[in-house]
Amino acid sequence: GAVVSQHPSWVICKSGTSVKIECRSLDFQATTMFWYRQFPKQSLMLMATSNEGSKATYEQGVEKDKFLINHASLTLSTLTVTSAHPEDSSFYICSALSGTVNYGYTFGSGTRLTVV
Amino acid sequence: AQSVTQPDIHITVSEGASLELRCNYSYGATPYLFWYVQSPGQGLQLLLKYFSGDTLVQGIKGFEAEFKRSQSSFNLRKPSVHWSDAAEYFCAVGSGGGADGLTFGKGTHLIIQP
Repeated sequence: GAVVSQHPSWVICKSGTSVKIECRSLDFQATTMFWYRQFPKQSLMLMATSNEGSKATYEQGVEKDKFLINHASLTLSTLTVTSAHPEDSSFYICSALSGTVNYGYTFGSGTRLTVV
Repeated sequence: AQSVTQPDIHITVSEGASLELRCNYSYGATPYLFWYVQSPGQGLQLLLKYFSGDTLVQGIKGFEAEFKRSQSSFNLRKPSVHWSDAAEYFCAVGSGGGADGLTFGKGTHLIIQP
């Protein structure tokens, strides 16, 4: 079945630094990838949608200059949290879609970001 | 805008008992509906999905869900739960074509009593 690998699974960084999270589709080409954010004991909130070779589409209220998304190939999307602050600490999950929605959305295992 | 309501934040069920998790959605067209399960600190695993056709959908791990358009519901059921079913369960709705990502409910935390 479809597998999405997300790396790293957890990261601790200092305030003011940037951190990059990778999301790879291992056995399929993902034309569209999605990035979600999940606060403790809460639901997943869609942050942005990225399509290979084009600019990401951000949800209302998400700062595109803080959360940089790059989808340079059909198997890799990256989320960079720039100038991180403690309030950016969260669980970030990517999801990939292959072809049409009938294939379902495959989720990565998530990245726990802690900014100190 | 689409939305999903999971009215039960926590549910406690005895091992071996039946389970039903409720999900109501709001969407203007025919929805694409999903149930996912999440263990602590993990990603999401797809249990089942509904796009069209038979309104009773079978999923993995013995789960099933029934789409009821008249009630805007997509409740998840399992006839006999196991301790390993303890987790967070999310209902989600998507638009046709998959271009817009999923809208999730707030989740239901399932506790299994021995």
